[in-house]
Amino acid sequence: AQKVTQAQTEISVVEKEDVTLDCVYETRDTTYYLFWYKQPPSGELVFLIRRNSFDEQNEISGRYSWNFQKSTSSFNFTITASQVVDSAVYFCALCSGNTGKLIFGQGTTLQVKP
Amino acid sequence: EAGVVQSPRYKIIEKKQPVAFWCNPISGHNTLYWYLQNLGQGPELLIRYENEEAVDDSQLPKDRFSAERLKGVDSTLKIQPAELGDSAVYLCASSLGAGQGNLGTEAFFGQGTRLTVV
Repeated sequence: AQKVTQAQTEISVVEKEDVTLDCVYETRDTTYYLFWYKQPPSGELVFLIRRNSFDEQNEISGRYSWNFQKSTSSFNFTITASQVVDSAVYFCALCSGNTGKLIFGQGTTLQVKP
Repeated sequence: EAGVVQSPRYKIIEKKQPVAFWCNPISGHNTLYWYLQNLGQGPELLIRYENEEAVDDSQLPKDRFSAERLKGVDSTLKIQPAELGDSAVYLCASSLGAGQGNLGTEAFFGQGTRLTVV
């Protein structure tokens, strides 16, 4: 079975704090892809990052960084020095095998207060 | 470059009425998806097209839902008749086709159609 779990339903931080959003996935496939999407109040899902299962190198993009660990089946997302504009729902997703189908977690609502 | 375009943005209908949603994917994207997003949940796939072929419709409730992608570009999702439980956001997404060696490529989403059935 394929599954994505985002255990944190809601997180509230004060601006400039660092925050980590957790994502744990399940799949029996050896080839798979992991994604993070941001959904602001406007509703559109905005693509943030894609990683494939053969590349465990962590990635940093500005204030965003991602920690992929196959040993714990986790793909966590950290926002450094959070800003009010980071407030949104964040989804972790899995695309496994040859399905071409995205399986989403329940999402984590991040609120960044000024 | 234009993103995925969906219309309408909002729709309110009475139960038992039909409703249709339209999606125009990003130019050159052969793969098109319809997802359903209930409040407080992550999106769930309803149907996936590769060009004009529906390659995965296993989660589409075929007794009342139908979809088409004539000519492999625009797509329409229809519900007939609508039920109260169909109230949700219907998201369309597109990506480069898997057949082009782009399996697992990122999908780009439209803003969705928020359906309210009363």
